[in-house]
Amino acid sequence: DAMVIQNPRYQVTQFGKPVTLSCSQTLNHNVMYWYQQKSSQAPKLLFHYYDKDFNNEADTPDNFQSRRPNTSFCFLDIRSPGLGDAAMYLCATSRGQGGEKLFFGSGTQLSVL
Amino acid sequence: GIQVEQSPPDLILQEGANSTLRCNFSDSVNNLQWFHQNPWGQLINLFYIPSGTKQNGRLSATTVATERYSLLYISSSQTTDSGVYFCAVEGSGYALNFGKGTSLLVTP
Repeated sequence: DAMVIQNPRYQVTQFGKPVTLSCSQTLNHNVMYWYQQKSSQAPKLLFHYYDKDFNNEADTPDNFQSRRPNTSFCFLDIRSPGLGDAAMYLCATSRGQGGEKLFFGSGTQLSVL
Repeated sequence: GIQVEQSPPDLILQEGANSTLRCNFSDSVNNLQWFHQNPWGQLINLFYIPSGTKQNGRLSATTVATERYSLLYISSSQTTDSGVYFCAVEGSGYALNFGKGTSLLVTP
């Protein structure tokens, strides 16, 4: 089945140690998104790619970066994780930008020690 | 940005009961979706419904765009319906803004 796959399911990192989360999709969708969801809160959009065009949300900290080397893969890099960055990170895709249905991966739960 | 309010914040039902979840939004929308987040964190898209009514099994949704609200109906609830239900809307930009969700617990 076509899907959005996130690895790993759980990730533990140390304070200040760079970490990369990965997302892949078999839907051949043009748009890939990264959302951050803290405990008991709503998902919050960090940034998205429309094809190779990167779109950063205004309030996304500089500590968060993203790469999309090809249509299928997208990475979230946290350069210096702080305790406040512990959260569920959700990857999503849509066929196009605007007025499109979103499909989510199962998420990566990040812990920062 | 566009504001999204969901009610009620929490809901406890006995298996077999029906419920209605509400989503109010502050501006006209191009896109409105309902999601179910299961206890393991997976977000499942239930409906893409910027206007009108849709049904899928025991679930149905109605969006009245002119009055800026959407309703999600769950009939004959089951324990597997437990989780958090999110409404998300897209205004003039391309980002989906999520409401704070309704946390549903269905007891046997």
